[in-house]
Amino acid sequence: GAGVSQSPSNKVTEKGKDVELRCDPISGHTALYWYRQSLGQGLEFLIYFQGNSAPDKSGLPSDRFSAERTGGSVSTLTIQRTQQEDSAVYLCASSYTLGLGNTIYFGEGSWLTVV
Amino acid sequence: QQQVKQSPQSLIVQKGGISIINCAYENTAFDYFPWYQQFPGKGPALLIAIRPDVSEKKEGRFTISFNKSAKQFSLHIMDSQPGDSATYFCAASSYNFNKFYFGSGTKLNVKP
Repeated sequence: GAGVSQSPSNKVTEKGKDVELRCDPISGHTALYWYRQSLGQGLEFLIYFQGNSAPDKSGLPSDRFSAERTGGSVSTLTIQRTQQEDSAVYLCASSYTLGLGNTIYFGEGSWLTVV
Repeated sequence: QQQVKQSPQSLIVQKGGISIINCAYENTAFDYFPWYQQFPGKGPALLIAIRPDVSEKKEGRFTISFNKSAKQFSLHIMDSQPGDSATYFCAASSYNFNKFYFGSGTKLNVKP
């Protein structure tokens, strides 16, 4: 596709349920990022994938959060046993390998509300 | 440790005025400094970016000024318009790093 695609665009879930958020990066981009943005706040790094390398998971806030990237393309961010403080916009971004073109392109985000 | 510090948190400017947002970084290994613009309900979009081999880059009404010795860079929006009202994020990265470090964001409101 032309841009980074994320789904669902909006998700309301009950506390304690698991959620999966999907990201389809720009074709040809080898790097994929997940960021979290709480209401009115900045961008919090969660996880980074680059090709076949081990992902950088240093930003994941707890072991309830996990992400995978299948076939070097689509990524899924999973939040288990959701809590109200998980309510935020989850932004996915992609780029070419750093050094060849550093610009990262964001999707429109998945708005998660935990009630 | 916050790698990129951004100020102010919010900014109100009259139409036609100059908007200035400042960022400072710590790591001298950073070699790419983009600015992102985010409208409500949308993802951030690249606005303009600079590398440290130049001190200024201008694209239309948007200018980045870069001071390598002070480890600071700023975004200037000339002739600010109500349509510029958005949240602006500075960022920094390097070929050797796996991630982009973002500032905390500046919410700009341009009053007509």
